[in-house]
Amino acid sequence: RKEVEQDPGPFNVPEGATVAFNCTYSNSASQSFFWYRQDCRKEPKLLMSVYSSGNEDGRFTAQLNRASQYISLLIRDSKLSDSATYLCVLGRRFGAGTRLTVKP
Amino acid sequence: EPEVTQTPSHQVTQMGQEVILRCVPISNHLYFYWYRQILGQKVEFLVSFYNNEISEKSEIFDDQFSVERPDGSNFTLKIRSTKLEDSAMYFCASSGDRVNSPLHFGNGTRLTVT
Repeated sequence: RKEVEQDPGPFNVPEGATVAFNCTYSNSASQSFFWYRQDCRKEPKLLMSVYSSGNEDGRFTAQLNRASQYISLLIRDSKLSDSATYLCVLGRRFGAGTRLTVKP
Repeated sequence: EPEVTQTPSHQVTQMGQEVILRCVPISNHLYFYWYRQILGQKVEFLVSFYNNEISEKSEIFDDQFSVERPDGSNFTLKIRSTKLEDSAMYFCASSGDRVNSPLHFGNGTRLTVT
């Protein structure tokens, strides 16, 4: 099993839609979890950290399920500008990313 | 907001040549990293560096790679004898601690080996 696995995608959604990504991990000792976004040919940028109790930042909600070893990212009311690749990060290891395209 | 800076933004080199990629991490960060991303592929961990030594490296980071912190601000990645398959975007990152703080990335150096 890969260290970090993400939904393969791509996700193509209309503006205003709600979309969710999952990421599973194999190392139960993992202590830190993050979601990054990466625009084409740019560096990854931190979207949000993921806390055990779950956390929200505007339209974005991140959750951690340690028992099932996955983290999730929910995006509500999708905007065109949300189009990007979303990367889950465990410690210092990246998932392969999930491509999201939000269409008018 | 403090930034990680990388130079050059694009480096073209011939196969077999040595290249040095440069990074200036955020000044109060203690942990430094290099990652690689081949076009269309995932972000791959190469190496982490702390207290003037390598703390972890991946299987990609073989003998042709080396890292150095030559002074108090720069962090460099050297590829001794480049191969075609080294063509990729190389990202430098830094963090305030080993595990729990997020990584802050530079803009990357696109390396093209011809």
